[in-house]
Amino acid sequence: DAGVTQSPTHLIKTRGQQVTLRCSPKSGHDTVSWYQQALGQGPQFIFQYYEEEERQRGNFPDRFSGHQFPNYSSELNVNALLLGDSALYLCASSRGQGASGNTIYFGEGSWLTVV
Amino acid sequence: QKEVEQDPGPLSVPEGAIVSLNCTYSNSAFQYFMWYRQYSRKGPELLMYTYSSGNKEDGRFTAQVDKSSKYISLFIRDSQPSDSATYLCAMTSGGGADGLTFGKGTHLIIQP
Repeated sequence: DAGVTQSPTHLIKTRGQQVTLRCSPKSGHDTVSWYQQALGQGPQFIFQYYEEEERQRGNFPDRFSGHQFPNYSSELNVNALLLGDSALYLCASSRGQGASGNTIYFGEGSWLTVV
Repeated sequence: QKEVEQDPGPLSVPEGAIVSLNCTYSNSAFQYFMWYRQYSRKGPELLMYTYSSGNKEDGRFTAQVDKSSKYISLFIRDSQPSDSATYLCAMTSGGGADGLTFGKGTHLIIQP
């Protein structure tokens, strides 16, 4: 049973460019959340997708957008990249909206470096 | 004041020692409390999950939650070098689509 898978593992982008990160949830999970983890910091909640809609959003600008597909996989898009967007981007999946925490699984993340 | 405070360390202890890791929080709506372990450049791995106040034990790990003091702890007994990692506390109110709120993480080093 595959867990949460993310791609790409590492990537380097230039300021002003756009990036798309991808996530496949754990089998049986229908909810995907995205987190940003800067170096030396804890993960910060970006947004959550359930039933192909953004259900909740953290304190992130509109440059951060996402999408969920009918097979529950998800994409995170970041436009007009800034140096400060350099971070580990984590995808977490769960079954049902409002998971209480015990069923939330994280992927290994995508390391984004903006130069 | 951040919602969740956690001492980033590093915390260095000898092998076999009992480790105590702690977080304080300010949001009284938090009801679900988790501890994650994160090895360098890897995704967080769920270690312990607790609902509301109380204790929970799993092998060498014990999680404690004191909601009256807004204080949670993770104890690791008989610590091993393989326990060296960053430990993240996380919490959520559990309702709707709210995400997890994490502490900064404590970097733990177990010296052989």
